[in-house]
Amino acid sequence: EIVLTQFPGTLSLSPGERATLSCRASQTVSNNYLVWYQQKPGRAPRLLIYGASSRATGIPDRFSGSGSGTDFTLTISRLEPEDFAVYYCQQYSTSRGTFGQGTKVEIK
Amino acid sequence: EVQLLESGGGLVQPGGSLRLSCAASGFTFNNYAMSWVRQAPGKGLEWVSTVSGSGYSTIYAGSVKGRFTISRDNSKNILYMQLNSLRVEDTAIYYCAKDPHNGDYPWWFDPWGQGTLVTVS
Repeated sequence: EIVLTQFPGTLSLSPGERATLSCRASQTVSNNYLVWYQQKPGRAPRLLIYGASSRATGIPDRFSGSGSGTDFTLTISRLEPEDFAVYYCQQYSTSRGTFGQGTKVEIK
Repeated sequence: EVQLLESGGGLVQPGGSLRLSCAASGFTFNNYAMSWVRQAPGKGLEWVSTVSGSGYSTIYAGSVKGRFTISRDNSKNILYMQLNSLRVEDTAIYYCAKDPHNGDYPWWFDPWGQGTLVTVS
């Protein structure tokens, strides 16, 4: 099983600032089969990025994904008020997908 | 627009059973694998199970294998999850979600339903 570790656990930033979230895998995620989700309180997760760097339909271009192998990054170029939420990475390179534990982006 | 609507959650005693349902609309249901993902209160996400578009292929997380059964009725566009031998640690919101392809194991999940709460106590 691939274990995904996200860091930091919490990121305290102000609107307009840049957010950099990391997701590290315990072994290589083949074909960059990694996605990112956003979850707001009381809501279901929403897909942001698939294939490590492709934005899902309707996702603003301030969200970008990068990385390969075992290290992946989600970047939010300029935080909007609606971006404060919890973000999860998930790999699908093995038959049983696994999630990271999440990074909370909170208002400073 | 793709819509997924779960139902069937509730309070059940340890060792009990529940059947969750997920009504799907807005896409050709049998062309896509479907999955269940759960989230314990205040915790992260855990993939539970996936069924292929035909319903013939299923796969489970180790934590639920042998206790939960995923199935689908393609004539009614409904996804099911039978939960047996429930444990306190199965308490969670259970989400159904659409896979982007028709395969034997999960890729990513998009979109998700609103979830249904299962409480084992």
